Amino acid sequence: AQSVTQLDSQVPVFEEAPVELRCNYSSSVSVYLFWYVQYPNQGLQLLLKYLSGSTLVKGINGFEAEFNKSQTSFHLRKPSVHISDTAEYFCAVTLITGGGNKLTFGTGTQLKVEL
Amino acid sequence: NAGVTQTPKFQVLKTGQSMTLQCAQDMNHNSMYWYRQDPGMGLRLIYYSASEGTTDKGEVPNGYNVSRLNKREFSLRLESAAPSQTSVYFCASSPGLQRTDTQYFGPGTRLTVL
Repeated sequence: AQSVTQLDSQVPVFEEAPVELRCNYSSSVSVYLFWYVQYPNQGLQLLLKYLSGSTLVKGINGFEAEFNKSQTSFHLRKPSVHISDTAEYFCAVTLITGGGNKLTFGTGTQLKVEL
Repeated sequence: NAGVTQTPKFQVLKTGQSMTLQCAQDMNHNSMYWYRQDPGMGLRLIYYSASEGTTDKGEVPNGYNVSRLNKREFSLRLESAAPSQTSVYFCASSPGLQRTDTQYFGPGTRLTVL
């Protein structure tokens, strides 16, 4: 079975600083990878996803993520964060074959942007 | 275009009471899902419906039932609520069951069972 690890439960950062949110996964078969964002008191929305092709994926709101197969990682980055980026970020995977469209989520990373 | 809507937003139940959480989507999606979100555990799939007329168990189905009423609506029922079911419940939908499909989430229902 697949699993997702987000080692950092909270990441504080000052506005305009860069940020990296880490995600590692474990799977015996190839996976598709997703990052979702949850703003306070809202549902999740897709930031970006890696399906195939270029390992650097660009998403909404200036975020990007890089797929590293050898390290089984899919870290999320933003070069300069804004107060409005304060939210919880979830990494998720789904198997390329088998198991249907069932997302396995990590436990989330709370990004807190401070002035 | 409201996307995915959920009612109610908040609910408090006593142990043993029953209730139904409602979910509707207006994106003409075939597949719908129910998740629960607990602190430090991410989201876990309770049930899903690949298409109208079908439902399947997810990771944590015990204590829940679902009904796919039509293509738009997918409800989650707690027959006899327990404190362990205190959680935030999210409904989601996707165009189909393709693994590349994006899931679209509702705003959630915050349920407390006393």
